[in-house]
Amino acid sequence: SQTIHQWPATLVQPVGSPLSLECTVEGTSNPNLYWYRQAAGRGLQLLFYSVGIGQISSEVPQNLSASRPQDRQFILSSKKLLLSDSGFYLCAWSVGGYTEAFFGQGTRLTVV
Amino acid sequence: KQEVTQIPAALSVPEGENLVLNCSFTDSAIYNLQWFRQDPGKGLTSLLLIQSSQREQTSGRLNASLDKSSGRSTLYIAASQPGDSATYLCAVRPSGNTGKLIFGQGTTLQVKP
Repeated sequence: SQTIHQWPATLVQPVGSPLSLECTVEGTSNPNLYWYRQAAGRGLQLLFYSVGIGQISSEVPQNLSASRPQDRQFILSSKKLLLSDSGFYLCAWSVGGYTEAFFGQGTRLTVV
Repeated sequence: KQEVTQIPAALSVPEGENLVLNCSFTDSAIYNLQWFRQDPGKGLTSLLLIQSSQREQTSGRLNASLDKSSGRSTLYIAASQPGDSATYLCAVRPSGNTGKLIFGQGTTLQVKP
């Protein structure tokens, strides 16, 4: 069966520090991978998606970047965090672009 | 631009009631629609996926319907239980092969014992 892992579960970082959130998927090959952010009082917003290794599409201009160094690994990064980067970050995967999406347990990021 | 709206934002019902959660979307050009459940501080759990060609899907006490032409979906929960308390999110997948989802703001449900 397929599983998705996200870590860390919670993170408190000072403004200006770097960020690296990791997501891995097991039990499937060549999944579509997604990073969403859920900010307080706002809905889930798609940040990045990837349809293959090294293929990253950005949905909104921001202080973050994403990379996919391996087929089932998706990394969200920042060189210098802003207060506005605080939120709940969720990784998701699907087989192709038309099937059911499955989400990880999320990372709660607080920038102080 | 596709927009997804969920009404009501919050709902409180006594245990045992049947209830309906509503989801509407502005652009009928969707590939499918997915309902999720989110417990506080947790990730999303997929409940039901309805393809654009389908009218409804059922899983246990849950039944989701889709009327693509009118831009509406409903999630029906039968015989609600306190364990059903959570936030329910609907999301549409626009036509295209990226698979990205556009979410509503959710309905927070409280089922009282």
